[in-house]
Amino acid sequence: EAAVTQSPRNKVTVTGGNVTLSCRQTNSHNYMYWYRQDTGHGLRLIHYSYGAGNLQIGDVPDGYKATRTTQEDFFLLLELASPSQTSLYFCASSGQRNTEVFFGKGTRLTVV
Amino acid sequence: LAKTTQPPSMEAYEGQEVNVSCSHTNIATSEYIYWYRQVPHQGPQFIIQGYKDYVVNEVASLFISADRKLSTLSLPWVSLRDAAVYYCIVTALSNTNKVVFGTGTRLQVLP
Repeated sequence: EAAVTQSPRNKVTVTGGNVTLSCRQTNSHNYMYWYRQDTGHGLRLIHYSYGAGNLQIGDVPDGYKATRTTQEDFFLLLELASPSQTSLYFCASSGQRNTEVFFGKGTRLTVV
Repeated sequence: LAKTTQPPSMEAYEGQEVNVSCSHTNIATSEYIYWYRQVPHQGPQFIIQGYKDYVVNEVASLFISADRKLSTLSLPWVSLRDAAVYYCIVTALSNTNKVVFGTGTRLQVLP
């Protein structure tokens, strides 16, 4: 079974704070994704990557940076967190020619 | 990427067959159709994929119209565990591999 591990699972930070969400996949997948999920909006793609050092902009990238340090690790950075970024964040991975996407368990971020 | 349209919600009784529709009128010849479902407190999970005609696996079946503009996910004999949000996604097997989820269909199963 494909494995995607997110940490932390829950995080509370203050407005203006600096937050890093971590994701590791052990599937040998090339593609990794960060999504946010909010009531009424479904899942929205923030950033994605198709390999170490690569970064592609998703549909809601404002206020987020991301970095893919290795094939396994993909980080989402919020350098000046705002309450509007309070959300449930999912990391996911998929293989190069197979868009079956495997998701982590999610990180709930609260910005107060 | 072709946009998809699904009904926002459905309900069914346990034991019924449920058909969830998805419209993708601008689907390209390179694009495939994928279905996922998401139960509370978990990330989405893959159910089934198809390109044309009819696909079946141990969980569900997928019917795709001849013009590929409409697909229908069929869940036989739903149980309370099938209560979830069901997402239809259309994407191509390309190097960009961007996978975009819509708002899905929330299925409520009644006992």
